[in-house]
Formats: sequence, structure tokens, C-alpha cells
Amino acid sequence: AQKITQTQPGMFVQEKEAVTLDCTYDTSDQSYGLFWYKQPSSGEMIFLIYQGSYDEQNATEGRYSLNFQKARKSANLVISASQLGDSAMYFCAMRGNDKIIFGKGTRLHILP
Amino acid sequence: ETGVTQTPRHLVMGMTNKKSLKCEQHLGHNAMYWYKQSAKKPLELMFVYSLEERVENNSVPSRFSPECPNSSHLFLHLHTLQPEDSALYLCASSQVEPGQGSSYEQYFGPGTRLTVT
Repeated sequence: AQKITQTQPGMFVQEKEAVTLDCTYDTSDQSYGLFWYKQPSSGEMIFLIYQGSYDEQNATEGRYSLNFQKARKSANLVISASQLGDSAMYFCAMRGNDKIIFGKGTRLHILP
Repeated sequence: ETGVTQTPRHLVMGMTNKKSLKCEQHLGHNAMYWYKQSAKKPLELMFVYSLEERVENNSVPSRFSPECPNSSHLFLHLHTLQPEDSALYLCASSQVEPGQGSSYEQYFGPGTRLTVT
């Protein structure tokens, strides 16, 4: 069975610091994809970054990077130089065999 | 309009009412999804339409009835709901490659905040 685990229900980080949001997954699929989404208080889910299971390099999108460690089945999101606008819920998700499942999310608070 | 839009943004309904949620995607995608987001629960996938065919129905009660008249529009018809159905309902779309069975990143609408009284 597929499973996504986000162990940090909430985090507080000082503005301009880097932050790592944890995500571990479990799947028996050989081919799968990992995503991170941001959900601000407005409710909309915003796609941030994608990592394919066969991608050899870690994905990066601007200030976002995905620390993919396949052997450990982890796909942590790293946000560099955090900004106040980064305060939101962050969801890790996994796609495999047409199914996509989401973790419970981590609420990130950026402090001025 | 761009991206994925949902109407209404907020809905309050009684348990005996019938209402519909509407989703429209302007991204040229061929797959659409309904999710339910309740407080303190992971996002729950309810329905998937891929290439205008319903390909997944995750044991959702029959009081929720989806409709996908074309690849750009998705409806969720609601009737005789329960208070525990109060949640944020999110619509998403993605591009599915025929024959490959894979779906890539999903783009979400702003959601409909539903309250059942």
C-alpha cells in the first residue's frame, strides 16, 4: 500500500532562514512521482515542485528544492531564504499507478 | 479566466437541500479530480475523470454524484448531505498521456467551502 508521512504538524522559522519540511513515503511501485504543494489560507493548492523516481538529480524550482533520497524513501522540501509569504500549509504527495495520495501536511509559520 | 475555477466559493446548505459544485479548467487538460479536505485529515481523493471517463470512485457515499460533460467541466451534485460532509472541496486537473496511465502535476482550483447545517 502507498503511504505518505509528514511528521511535522507545525514549524516556526525566522524570516530569511532556510527551512526543511520532511516527507517520507512508502510504495512498491518502481515508477512514481513526488510532489510538493503549498496551500495558503485562501485554500488554493499551488504546485511547487516535482521529482520523478528515476530522476538522478534533485529537482529545483527557484527557492524550492527537493532533497530526494530514494534509498531512505524521503523527499524533503527545502525552502531557501524564507519569506513571510511562505507561511502556509505544505503537502507532500505521491503519484503511482494513476493514484495520487497526499500527506497530512505541515503548517509553516515564517516569523518577521 | 485562467487556471482552474470553482463556483461557488462558499456554500451553506441544509441536509435536505440539493446543490451542485462547478469546476472549470482552462488549461487544456484531459483529467479532472474532486478532493475533499476536512480539518485535520489528509486530502481525500473522491473521483477521477480521465479522458471524460470516470476512472476512480473511492467509496464515496451516493449522496455525492459527479458529472463530467466534457474535458473542461466537472460538477459535483450534492443531495441529503450530513453535517460531517462539511469540508473544503477542491477540484484539480492534469494532463494524462493515453496509454501511459500516468498523471503529472495537478493544478487545483480555489475550492468550495461547504457547510452543512
